[in-house]
Amino acid sequence: AQSVTQPDIHITVSEGASLELRCNYSYGATPYLFWYVQSPGQGLQLLLKYFSGDTLVQGIKGFEAEFKRSQSSFNLRKPSVHWSDAAEYFCAVGPSLSGGYNKLIFGAGTRLAVHP
Amino acid sequence: ETGVTQTPRHLVMGMTNKKSLKCEQHLGHNAMYWYKQSAKKPLELMFVYSLEERVENNSVPSRFSPECPNSSHLFLHLHTLQPEDSALYLCASSQDWGSGVSTDTQYFGPGTRLTVL
Repeated sequence: AQSVTQPDIHITVSEGASLELRCNYSYGATPYLFWYVQSPGQGLQLLLKYFSGDTLVQGIKGFEAEFKRSQSSFNLRKPSVHWSDAAEYFCAVGPSLSGGYNKLIFGAGTRLAVHP
Repeated sequence: ETGVTQTPRHLVMGMTNKKSLKCEQHLGHNAMYWYKQSAKKPLELMFVYSLEERVENNSVPSRFSPECPNSSHLFLHLHTLQPEDSALYLCASSQDWGSGVSTDTQYFGPGTRLTVL
């Protein structure tokens, strides 16, 4: 079955520190992978996506993610975190094998807190 | 207005009430989605409409009734809800549902926070 696992429910980092959020997936074919961010009271905003090609993907707000097929991972990174990065981050995989090209499977999310 | 908008942003209703959530996308997209986001659970896809036709219904109880009158508007009609239906309901849109070529990015609205008493 397809699934997305975000092992860390909560992460706290200091402002200026580096960040890595983990995402592991289980998928029967080449996946499409996404990272979304949700600020309090807001909807989800796309940070970056991987469809094919270069396995290191650059996104908005200084984020990047690396697709590692051998590890079934798509970890999100940022070299220096800002207080405004405090939010919840969701990894998603698609399309769903059960039908529908745009049916995404989401992880449970990682809540990021940033200390000054 | 740009992107995906949702109204109301907050809604409190009793179990016997009937209410509707509204979503509007200003992106010229052909596909629209309803998701349910409950605390400590992954996002759950509820319904998908493509070109105003429902193409996905994820075993959602009949007390939730979607409507898509045109490609820009999507409604979720609610009646006789249960307290466990309290959640953030998110609307999203994408260029297409199934292009056969690639997965289109989904753009999300801010959500409606629903509380059922």
